[in-house]
Order: sequence, then structure tokens, then C-alpha cells
Amino acid sequence: GAVVSQHPSWVICKSGTSVKIECRSLDFQATTMFWYRQFPKKSLMLMATSNEGSKATYEQGVEKDKFLINHASLTLSTLTVTSAHPEDSSFYICSARDGRRSQGDEQFFGPGTRLTVL
Amino acid sequence: KQEVTQIPAALSVPEGENLVLNCSFTDSAIYNLQWFRQDPGKGLTSLLLIQSSQREQTSGRLNASLDKSSGRSTLYIAASQPGDSATYLCAVNNAGNMLTFGGGTRLMVKP
Repeated sequence: GAVVSQHPSWVICKSGTSVKIECRSLDFQATTMFWYRQFPKKSLMLMATSNEGSKATYEQGVEKDKFLINHASLTLSTLTVTSAHPEDSSFYICSARDGRRSQGDEQFFGPGTRLTVL
Repeated sequence: KQEVTQIPAALSVPEGENLVLNCSFTDSAIYNLQWFRQDPGKGLTSLLLIQSSQREQTSGRLNASLDKSSGRSTLYIAASQPGDSATYLCAVNNAGNMLTFGGGTRLMVKP
């Protein structure tokens, strides 16, 4: 149980285009989803936290108009990188938790999406 | 602000050795601490989760300890194997279920 998927696993796009990344919890309902960014050989940096049905909370320094997050259902959150530029190239990882479980504080991570902007 | 540090940043050992990875954190008011494994270009695999009230957790050849008062956790890997080669990340969960990650330890186990 507690499987999280991401789609696509990798994407290459031209500068100026927008890219949408999906994060799904497959066998549980995710009351909260998190989006992280990871640069090569670096650790994960939290970008934003989203609760189902409400607006995402962005970390300091993360542009909310640049990285649009939607958590429309208990099993799906999307991250849209708008007007992507080469510096947005990175590995994006989502995680999800079900706050209603007795061990609801554990986060389950997706496999990541590698974005390359040309 | 919570800061998490992992030492060493990289480690290379021969197969069969027992090894210890270290993680330290600055704010001891944590919810729990989690150890992950990450293979190159892949996502995170959760290894062990230690709640703030616990001292250690074990899974197979892995043992993780937590000393909340001193802000330290260790991951002990017994009888290391080449398949253990990966980056190991520790992450601290503070209030609000926000994870703060350490920089990771890149482990190479040579056959």
C-alpha cells in the first residue's frame, strides 16, 4: 500500500512553454501533497504544500505564479511550470500523506519527474 | 529554522563492512525522523521511520537510532553489499509535517 505515482517520468520542452506534472496517490487518499525540487547531487528542497480543496502554501523564494499547484481531489495534485526556462530544469518529486491515518505523519514519495528545458 | 546535516558526504567501503551514517539536526522539537535511499535518477525509497518517542528502529540489516536531545540520528548498515550503493538521505519532520532534508551521504560499496 501507500503508492504514489508521477507522470510523466521525464519531459523535454522548449523554453517558453508550460509543462504539467501529475502526482497521484494510487491506494490511499492524500489529504496533503508536497512538491519538492532536487538539483543534481543536491538534496530535496520543499517548494510547496497543498491541501485538498485549498490553495497551496509556497516556501519562501518559490514563485507561485511560476509554479502553479492544483490539488483538486484526494488522489491528484498537479504542478504546472509556466513559461519554462532552462534554469527550471530539475528533478521534481512529489509526496503525499493521509492525515486521517493513525500513522498519518508519514509521507510517501513519487518516483520523480525529470524536466529538461531547452 | 531547522537545519539537517549529514556526515560524511561520501563514503566508499569494501563489501562486507559494517558502516554508520550520521545525521544531525539543530531543532530537537521534531515529530519524527526518516531515512531514505535514493538511487541515481530515481525517487526516494523510505527505509526507516522513527517517531520522536522512539530510540531506534530496525529493518533487516538496517538499524536507525535517534537521540532527540542531542539532535542526532545514525543509520547502521550491517554487512554492506554492492547493492547498498546509493545516496542515503535523512529527513526531519517538524510541526506541520514539513520535511527538512539533509544533504545526503553517497555510499559506494565495492565488491
